[in-house]
Amino acid sequence: AQKVTQAQTEISVVEKEDVTLDCVYETRDTTYYLFWYKQPPSGELVFLIRRNSFDEQNEISGRYSWNFQKSTSSFNFTITASQVVDSAVYFCALSEALPMEYGNKLVFGAGTILRVKS
Amino acid sequence: NAGVTQTPKFQVLKTGQSMTLQCAQDMNHEYMSWYRQDPGMGLRLIHYSVGAGITDQGEVPNGYNVSRSTTEDFPLRLLSAAPSQTSVYFCASSVTGGFGTEAFFGQGTRLTVV
Repeated sequence: AQKVTQAQTEISVVEKEDVTLDCVYETRDTTYYLFWYKQPPSGELVFLIRRNSFDEQNEISGRYSWNFQKSTSSFNFTITASQVVDSAVYFCALSEALPMEYGNKLVFGAGTILRVKS
Repeated sequence: NAGVTQTPKFQVLKTGQSMTLQCAQDMNHEYMSWYRQDPGMGLRLIHYSVGAGITDQGEVPNGYNVSRSTTEDFPLRLLSAAPSQTSVYFCASSVTGGFGTEAFFGQGTRLTVV
């Protein structure tokens, strides 16, 4: 069965520090997608990134970067020079290859609360 | 562009009451789903629909019903509310039910059952 583990329940950093959020997943499939979502204090879920299992290239988007390592089943998320606006709950999620009739099911980790202090 | 709209945003129910959480999307998405978010557990899938007239159960379906009579709407019904159903509920849609498709989420409904 698929599973996503975000072992860090809560992280507190001071503004401008770098911070890495860990995500470890379990799946028997060789084909899958991984996602990161951000949930700011306002409560909505904001899509950050999607990565398929065949693309292990790291990705950078501004202050955000993602490190995907199939060998360790990890998809970690780093925020460089954190800002107060980065304070949020961050979710990692997994979508396994299923026939269309089973739908686009996402399995979420428990989330990591990030607090950035000024 | 409204995207996925959930109503109400907040609701307090008494144990045993029933109610319907509304979800509507204006993106002509085939796939819609309901999740509940509980502290320390992330989001868990309640029910999903791959198209109008087709629904199926997710991970935690007990106590909830859904129907999909139109592409746009996917209401979630609580038959007899229980305190264990206190949670934040999210509706999501994606273009298709194909795995890996980006899911768009509503703003959430915070439900408290007393």
